[in-house]
Amino acid sequence: QVQLKESGPGLVQPSRTLSLTCTVSGFSLTSYGVSWVRQPPGKGLEWIAAIWSGGSTDYNSALKSRLSISRDTSKSQVLLKMNSLQTEDTAMYFCARESITTPFDYWGQGVMVTVSS
Amino acid sequence: DVVLTQTPSTLSATIGQSVSISCRSSQSLLDSAGNTYLYWYLQRPGQSPQLLIYLVSNLGSGVPNRFSGSGSGTDFTLKISGVEAEDLGVYYCMQATHAPYTFGAGTKLELK
Repeated sequence: QVQLKESGPGLVQPSRTLSLTCTVSGFSLTSYGVSWVRQPPGKGLEWIAAIWSGGSTDYNSALKSRLSISRDTSKSQVLLKMNSLQTEDTAMYFCARESITTPFDYWGQGVMVTVSS
Repeated sequence: DVVLTQTPSTLSATIGQSVSISCRSSQSLLDSAGNTYLYWYLQRPGQSPQLLIYLVSNLGSGVPNRFSGSGSGTDFTLKISGVEAEDLGVYYCMQATHAPYTFGAGTKLELK
């Protein structure tokens, strides 16, 4: 069955770089895209970035200068890097599958990232 | 960016009651090919969001048929015909017609 699982550090210091990994199973990264979505505590959802089945990428323009998304198809992993972290980047980070007509048809459980010294 | 305005922000309902949530867009979500990329998600407490409705009115896999979506252009509605206890949580609309994807602020459905 389709599964996505996020992993990464729970705590990151301000100004440092965050690296998150989404490991998928039950589908191929060359057939489906994957997005990252974040949710600050008690707040709503914000789309961050996507990598599509062909390998092209898209970023939220508000965060683009700080982001990099890539993939390792041999490991079925999607990688997200965000630099210059600030306290407002504290959030639950989800990865979610993208199909042609349906963004986010499957979601991971999320990984909580706290930015604090 | 496209702004999606959901109303109400909180909805109190009894079991069995029918309720509706509105999602209004700051721009038309109809693209040049005639497609409208409007979706609805439910986030239960402590869980990840799950897809309910895709492309305005299509039921996601395994979603009960008491959920229905409708609308066009800039005005969209999610209806629950007979709320059940498992329906409690926060409902989000989302658009994918215009980059970047944007979400509404959410509507919290709680028991009265």
